[in-house]
Amino acid sequence: GDSVTQMEGPVTLSEEACLTINCTYTATGYPSLFWYVQYPGEGLQLLLKATKADDKGSNKGFEATYRKETTSFHLEKGSVQVSDSAVYFCALKPGSARQLTFGSGTQLTVLP
Amino acid sequence: DSGVTQTPKHLITATGQRVTLRCSPRSGDLSVYWYQQSLDQGLQFLIQYYNGEERAKGNILERFSAQQFPDLHSELNLSSLELGDSALYFCASSVAPDSTNYGYTFGSGTRLTVV
Repeated sequence: GDSVTQMEGPVTLSEEACLTINCTYTATGYPSLFWYVQYPGEGLQLLLKATKADDKGSNKGFEATYRKETTSFHLEKGSVQVSDSAVYFCALKPGSARQLTFGSGTQLTVLP
Repeated sequence: DSGVTQTPKHLITATGQRVTLRCSPRSGDLSVYWYQQSLDQGLQFLIQYYNGEERAKGNILERFSAQQFPDLHSELNLSSLELGDSALYFCASSVAPDSTNYGYTFGSGTRLTVV
């Protein structure tokens, strides 16, 4: 079935370091791909999305490119801030499904 | 504030009891989704309603049920509670039954602790 595999955490970085959180997926057809972020004590917020191959989603300095050939959607940011500390979830929605399937989440902690 | 309201924020109850979690979707959204977030299972989709009708069912136990009312708010009923039901329960909403373009808007969740 459809699934998302995320890089295991936790990930700890210093402020201004580069971030990559790996995400690969298994799905039938051409799913839409999403990254969500969950700050402590809050619900998930949509960070960015891509709906077709080679699309790049971007928001708040984060970006991810839909790579069909490698079935990946890695999240990247060139310079992280302390305020980026959160849990990041990769998710997909196959064309035939009505709900999102989420990865297990990656905890990011950024130290000053 | 995402616009999705979940109540209560915290709930502590004993095994064998029954609880009801409530969700009001964002204004204009017709579709409601329920997810369970636990440490060992991650985010698991439970059930989806669209404009009052059940649209999709995921890993929802028979002890759990849900409904969406004419004013579009939804309730998730959990009965015969077990320790393993302790988790964060999230509600999310979207405009359409197919959330391809916009994803979901999530509430801040209800933390259920079964003792």
